[in-house]
Amino acid sequence: EIVLTQSPGTLSLSPGERATLSCRASQSVRSSYLAWYQQKPGQAPRLLIYGASSRATGIPDRFSGSGSGTDFTLTISRLDPEDFAVFYCQQYGSSPWTFGQGTKVEIK
Amino acid sequence: EVQLVQSGAEVKKPGESLKISCKGSGYSFTSYWIGWVRQMPGKRLEWMGVIYPDDSDTRYMPSFQGQVIISADKSISTAYLQWSSLEASDTAMYYCARQRDKPYFDSWGQGTLVTVSS
Repeated sequence: EIVLTQSPGTLSLSPGERATLSCRASQSVRSSYLAWYQQKPGQAPRLLIYGASSRATGIPDRFSGSGSGTDFTLTISRLDPEDFAVFYCQQYGSSPWTFGQGTKVEIK
Repeated sequence: EVQLVQSGAEVKKPGESLKISCKGSGYSFTSYWIGWVRQMPGKRLEWMGVIYPDDSDTRYMPSFQGQVIISADKSISTAYLQWSSLEASDTAMYYCARQRDKPYFDSWGQGTLVTVSS
C-alpha cells in the first residue's frame, strides 16, 4: 500500500499570499495518477486536480498541481478568502487507492 | 447537473444492522463507478470500495472486505453501503462519490454521519 505524507500539517497564510502544499509518496505513483481535493468544514471534498496537474472542471486557474514519481505539489498562487480549508492528496496508481492525512490552510 | 444525494444521519447501537443510500441524478448512473469513502472523526479519507451499477461488479479495499457490503439498484439509480453488525468503531462520516475513467472522484454526496453508541 502506498502511504501518502502531506506537509506541512497546517499552513497559516493571509489572503493574497501564495500557498505551497506537499504530498510525498512512499513509492513511485504510477503514471502520475495523483489527485488533490479541497474540503471545507461540514462539506464533502471537492476535486481540484487529477493526473497530478490537470484542473477539474470549474476550478480557478490559481490552483495548479505539479510533480511526478514520489513528490507532488499543489500551489495556490494567490489565496482567496474562500480557499481556506483542508486539502488532501490521493493516489490512484496502485490499489488500494490511498489518501494523505491532509494539510489545513488557515487564515493568519 | 451531476448530483449524489445520500440518506440522512443514523444513530445505532452496537450489533445493529444498517443500510445507507446514495441516489445519483443528472448523468448516466450505469456508466460510472460509484465509490464509498469513510472519514472517521479528525482522520484522513479512506477508500472503502466501488461498484459499477450496470453489472454490480464490486471491488473492496482489503481492510473493508467482509466488513461491509456495497450494492446498487440501477433501476432507481441508487447505490448502497450496508453493515450486518455495527461496532462503535464504525462511527464516521461516509461519502459516496462518482469515479471517473480512473479511480479519482469528481462528484461527491453530502455525506451520511453514522454514530454507533450504546
